[in-house]
Amino acid sequence: SQQGEEDPQALSIQEGENATMNCSYKTSINNLQWYRQNSGRGLVHLILIRSNEREKHSGRLRVTLDTSKKSSSLLITASRAADTASYFCATDDRGTDKLIFGTGTRLQVFP
Amino acid sequence: ETGVTQSPTHLIKTRGQQVTLRCSSQSGHNTVSWYQQALGQGPQFIFQYYREEENGRGNFPPRFSGLQFPNYSSELNVNALELDDSALYLCASSDRRDRSYEQYFGPGTRLTVT
Repeated sequence: SQQGEEDPQALSIQEGENATMNCSYKTSINNLQWYRQNSGRGLVHLILIRSNEREKHSGRLRVTLDTSKKSSSLLITASRAADTASYFCATDDRGTDKLIFGTGTRLQVFP
Repeated sequence: ETGVTQSPTHLIKTRGQQVTLRCSSQSGHNTVSWYQQALGQGPQFIFQYYREEENGRGNFPPRFSGLQFPNYSSELNVNALELDDSALYLCASSDRRDRSYEQYFGPGTRLTVT
């Protein structure tokens, strides 16, 4: 079963705009990761945020984590057409290295 | 691109048949995890292998089985295929000595059961 939901399910924006995706999860976690998947291919790790962190940046990516609300957000700034992909959040399963994925957000960036 | 490879890329099987999917982990990684991703869904954890032994299993029936070899490569076997087994099968390698929890995914094997 999925850990939680991602919102929105799909997002379409123009190049240069910012894209925000949200992830909610159900159980206590040690860390939360975001992955990207291009059109049914393998997943690429983007960023990991630990449960004692509230915000993390990596290039054009900004991730926040609110453990009290069991939610996280991924912000992609100044989006590019090449950012078109599905984005998934994943949490650890009871402190192990096994991942529980959300349902994903499909992002389309138009040139 | 990660150093994780999977074979074959695509596979078409008939209901009731058996299938073996293969995964070569990234150099230096001692752990392989397998995930099933149905169309439009997130990946679901099948099982994990560490030092050639199963180390955790998701909610999948026993007809899903696996192996890990001394070189850390791995196989996923599915017996008595069902139509619902049609999915993208992903393997991911990681190193338990590295506490980063990051997993490196292969490109996947697309299995179609008819």
